[in-house]
Amino acid sequence: QSALTQPRSVSGSPGQSVTISCTGTSSNVGGYNYVSWYQQHPGKAPKLMIYDVNKRPSGVPDRFSGSKSGNTASLTISGLQAEDEADYFCFSYGGSYASSIFFGGGTRLTVL
Amino acid sequence: EVQLLESGRGMVQPGGSLRLSCVASGFTFNKFAMSWVRQAPGKGLEWVSAITGSGGGTYYADSVKGRFTISRDQSKNTLYLQMNSLRAEDTALYYCAKGLRFGNYGDYDYWGQGTLVTVSS
Repeated sequence: QSALTQPRSVSGSPGQSVTISCTGTSSNVGGYNYVSWYQQHPGKAPKLMIYDVNKRPSGVPDRFSGSKSGNTASLTISGLQAEDEADYFCFSYGGSYASSIFFGGGTRLTVL
Repeated sequence: EVQLLESGRGMVQPGGSLRLSCVASGFTFNKFAMSWVRQAPGKGLEWVSAITGSGGGTYYADSVKGRFTISRDQSKNTLYLQMNSLRAEDTALYYCAKGLRFGNYGDYDYWGQGTLVTVSS
């Protein structure tokens, strides 16, 4: 199935903000408010950071925020910390007829 | 405490079969969608399959459709993935993941530690 497009890497210094984009189509990201973001540290299972475009599960710091404009969703991390260095993946619902969850290739965040 | 414990790891030859299991605890199993997500060595996440809380709806990635079957046993709080006609490109760490709600929307709040499947001759 189609994948969502994410930048391969982004970087930022401690305390700065970074934004990771996730571009799909009107059949997935643009058509539904079901975009999720996952953080994955090396050798660890993924962790849900954002769901329904901009909602945070309990325990996720409010430094993490999500948004969407048209066919592009974004994850913004403000006040960067060393522990934020990880891979980030976006997932999007594609509708009941698509029978698929669309996903991005992942973005490596480096904290300089 | 929510726990997901996968099993069934192994090495199989191309064309072979394998069944993965995921025993869930710490939540009302039949109220939440469940999913399998895999990750090939050094690669990104790939959604594989999902099943609604009741088991009435099943969904598959195009790459596994017709070869894999997802199911759940509510009495055993267990999720399964039957994998047939395995290919080398199915080699990956397979994660079991719990959905946030009854339906499948790609939002998974708990993940197992993964079970490794290797397809090689």
